[in-house]
Amino acid sequence: KAGVTQTPRYLIKTRGQQVTLSCSPISGHRSVSWYQQTPGQGLQFLFEYFSETQRNKGNFPGRFSGRQFSNSRSEMNVSTLELGDSALYLCASSFIVGYGYTFGSGTRLTVV
Amino acid sequence: AQKITQTQPGMFVQEKEAVTLDCTYDTSDPSYGLFWYKQPSSGEMIFLIYQGSYDQQNATEGRYSLNFQKARKSANLVISASQLGDSAMYFCAMFVGFKSSSNTGNQFYFGTGTSLTVIP
Repeated sequence: KAGVTQTPRYLIKTRGQQVTLSCSPISGHRSVSWYQQTPGQGLQFLFEYFSETQRNKGNFPGRFSGRQFSNSRSEMNVSTLELGDSALYLCASSFIVGYGYTFGSGTRLTVV
Repeated sequence: AQKITQTQPGMFVQEKEAVTLDCTYDTSDPSYGLFWYKQPSSGEMIFLIYQGSYDQQNATEGRYSLNFQKARKSANLVISASQLGDSAMYFCAMFVGFKSSSNTGNQFYFGTGTSLTVIP
């Protein structure tokens, strides 16, 4: 079966721009969560969606937002990009919350 | 507060030898899950093994086993018969608020990772 698909794989944006990242979970998975990975801060939780509802949010500024559609696909948006937003953004999906998470390959965002 | 600690930034192991990657955790929640993920240079997080807080036996998955010592709050990963393809970053993670779709406070907590290099 198809795994978690994240698009695009690589992205270069200019400071001040906004960006939208996409995550298609494994078929049947209703939980989608997002993580930011940087060399300095490691893996940090951004937010989690379950059945189109945001259930939990990490400690990130309001510039980071997300949503989940009825088909469980999720998008993450970052507005007014800063250099520090350069990171690998990972999406993970699960059939139920807290068990059997499968990660995608990530989107590597570079802000210049 | 929930916390995962991996104290080994880098480890080296000879091919075909066994290696143990350390992980300690802290949580006051009695229900939690412990996971190990492998992240090769491509970036994808690959699930290796899972241990539930109420599981009596240590988890095993092929060459991977999890040495779960609940009283010590440790969940070390043991890789037997190391292969060159095992060279990667390894992350220990804890999920709290397990299997509760109504619990809005659950999330994964990750350690800082251990970089494993297998030497031929």
